[in-house]
Amino acid sequence: EVQLVESGGGLVQPGRSLKLSCAASGFTFSDYNMAWVRQAPTKGLEWVASISYGGSNTHYGDSVKGRFTISRDNAKSTLYLQMDSLRSEDTATYYCARVGGIPFDYWGQGVMVTVSS
Amino acid sequence: DIQMTQSPSFLSASVGDRVTINCKASQNINRYLNWYQQKLGEAPKLLIYNANSLQTGIPSRFSGSGSGTDFTLTISSLQPEDVATYFCLQHNSWPWTFGGGTKLELK
Repeated sequence: EVQLVESGGGLVQPGRSLKLSCAASGFTFSDYNMAWVRQAPTKGLEWVASISYGGSNTHYGDSVKGRFTISRDNAKSTLYLQMDSLRSEDTATYYCARVGGIPFDYWGQGVMVTVSS
Repeated sequence: DIQMTQSPSFLSASVGDRVTINCKASQNINRYLNWYQQKLGEAPKLLIYNANSLQTGIPSRFSGSGSGTDFTLTISSLQPEDVATYFCLQHNSWPWTFGGGTKLELK
């Protein structure tokens, strides 16, 4: 059974950093591209970043480009999102999702990030 | 960016009703459209991919149709367990973008 479990969320002050993790199981992690998607309170879903299966190619949404870094450790079957220079508008639930032949075919349950002083 | 306009935002229906939810793309996305269901506190679940392909394990009362700019998710006979928020995703062009969601409740 495919499982994606996010962790690392919490309350953080504006301008500070936070690193999210997503532990994957139930499939060969190194065979799949992966992504982060977020949903701000009362707002729609927004694609944040994607990374290729080997980690060499990354893409970012305009709202996080230059501040967030997606990475992965295939030996640990874990996806990461390093979030720097956080802003109040980054407050959201963050989901990791698998990107296979069918984009976003599996999602984690999400982790909440609140940016507030 | 491609804008996905989903309607209605809120829908109330009775058990056994036929329910339709729509997504309209701001430009041609061919058939690169997925539909998801998200129940409160749960991970989103893929229902339909590439406009009309039913994901493995999803009940056949769910179906998708459309191509180009107009797409529809249909639940042929609403069940109590279908209470959820539904949203679409276009994956034709980067950045991939989502519809705003439809919250479905029982009447």
